[in-house]
Amino acid sequence: GESVGLHLPTLSVQEGDNSIINCAYSNSASDYFIWYKQESGKGPQFIIDIRSNMDKRQGQRVTVLLNKTVKHLSLQIAATQPGDSAVYFCAENWGDTGRRALTFGSGTRLQVQP
Amino acid sequence: GAVVSQHPSRVICKSGTSVKIECRSLDFQATTMFWYRQFPKQSLMLMATSNEGSKATYEQGVEKDKFLINHASLTLSTLTVTSAHPEDSSFYICSARDPMASGGRTSTDTQYFGPGTRLTVL
Repeated sequence: GESVGLHLPTLSVQEGDNSIINCAYSNSASDYFIWYKQESGKGPQFIIDIRSNMDKRQGQRVTVLLNKTVKHLSLQIAATQPGDSAVYFCAENWGDTGRRALTFGSGTRLQVQP
Repeated sequence: GAVVSQHPSRVICKSGTSVKIECRSLDFQATTMFWYRQFPKQSLMLMATSNEGSKATYEQGVEKDKFLINHASLTLSTLTVTSAHPEDSSFYICSARDPMASGGRTSTDTQYFGPGTRLTVL
């Protein structure tokens, strides 16, 4: 049967506001980080990535900030739209060439109120 | 961007039967594919890394005899859940890396995910 699921932290914002989703990663050796968006019943969709030699990277309406000192990653979404409603996961990547697997954070649900 | 497909999208089976899930990279060749499992309201947990032409590498706690992985070609990996039981009911998702990804928007470390397969074992 199904496991008893954890309740995902939820961020509720008004349409048009900016959203900030935070993530604490675990491995100080991680050198590549990705934000994914997952809609209900679908696979994760790539949003934006950043390497550890950077502290900020901007995309279209999205910005990722990396603070290696405190092992913190954030995703900023400008002018949030109803279509942005989904669960957002950060993922960290580390290891040698033969094993570059992703470790996912626990996720945050973003609810955009019209 | 790179596209990964999965088949079937949804499967319901009886306890004790085996189920095969396919993962295909449609517009690129993937030497490495990954299989994840996701329970409701939880994150994705890596099950195994599938390498073309060699044995899969399983994560700790994942039974390799129960979750058989075959990566016979550069565009196809299969996951077979053998003798499925209700506790195997979950959302199974595969991903693949594009070794030729440009270094601009994404890197060769970027994983592209399939749409997932919902397995329900009665």
